[in-house]
Amino acid sequence: EIVLTQSPATLSLSPGERATLSCRTSQSVSSYLAWYQQKPGQAPRLLISDASNRATGIPARFSGSGSGTDFTLTISSLEPEDFAFYYCQQRSTWALTFGGGTKVEIK
Amino acid sequence: EVVLVETGGDLIQPGGSLRLSCTGSGFSVSDNYMSWVRQAPGKGLEWVSVFYSGGIIYYADSVKGRFTISGDISKNTVYLQMNSLRAEDTAFYYCTKGRGRSSIYDYWGQGTLVTVSS
Repeated sequence: EIVLTQSPATLSLSPGERATLSCRTSQSVSSYLAWYQQKPGQAPRLLISDASNRATGIPARFSGSGSGTDFTLTISSLEPEDFAFYYCQQRSTWALTFGGGTKVEIK
Repeated sequence: EVVLVETGGDLIQPGGSLRLSCTGSGFSVSDNYMSWVRQAPGKGLEWVSVFYSGGIIYYADSVKGRFTISGDISKNTVYLQMNSLRAEDTAFYYCTKGRGRSSIYDYWGQGTLVTVSS
């Protein structure tokens, strides 16, 4: 099983600031990595697929990068609605696995 | 419009069984990987199982031998039969649609709560 480690666990920032979230995998997943956003009481929402492809309707302030074992989700300028949990997920091998999540909270 | 609706969540005693259903609209279950992903209260996401009518079924080790995934294409529905339930199976269970034959989950249901407790 491929283990995904997200850091930091919590990111405390102010609106307008840049957020940088990390996801490291225990072995290479090539570019088969996705990012999801989840708000309290809601289902997750796909943000980024295959490391860097924004999903339909996702604002351009969200971007993804990386390949192999190191990946980054960047939110260029935080909007109030961006404060939420973020999860990475690999689809390189079965069983699929998710990272433990990063909480982006208002400072 | 793509919509996924899960039903079947309930309070069940340890060792009991439950069947979850996920009915899709706006797309064909037969064309997509369909997965169940669960989330224990206050915890992260855990992939459970995947079904593709073209011949793909996989399970997480934590549920292998106890859970069975299946589909009824005529009803555009996917099922998760859960047997020998344990307290650690308590979670919200989300049905997810993969983008075609992939595990890029582009649509999620609202979730159904399974509580395993005596």
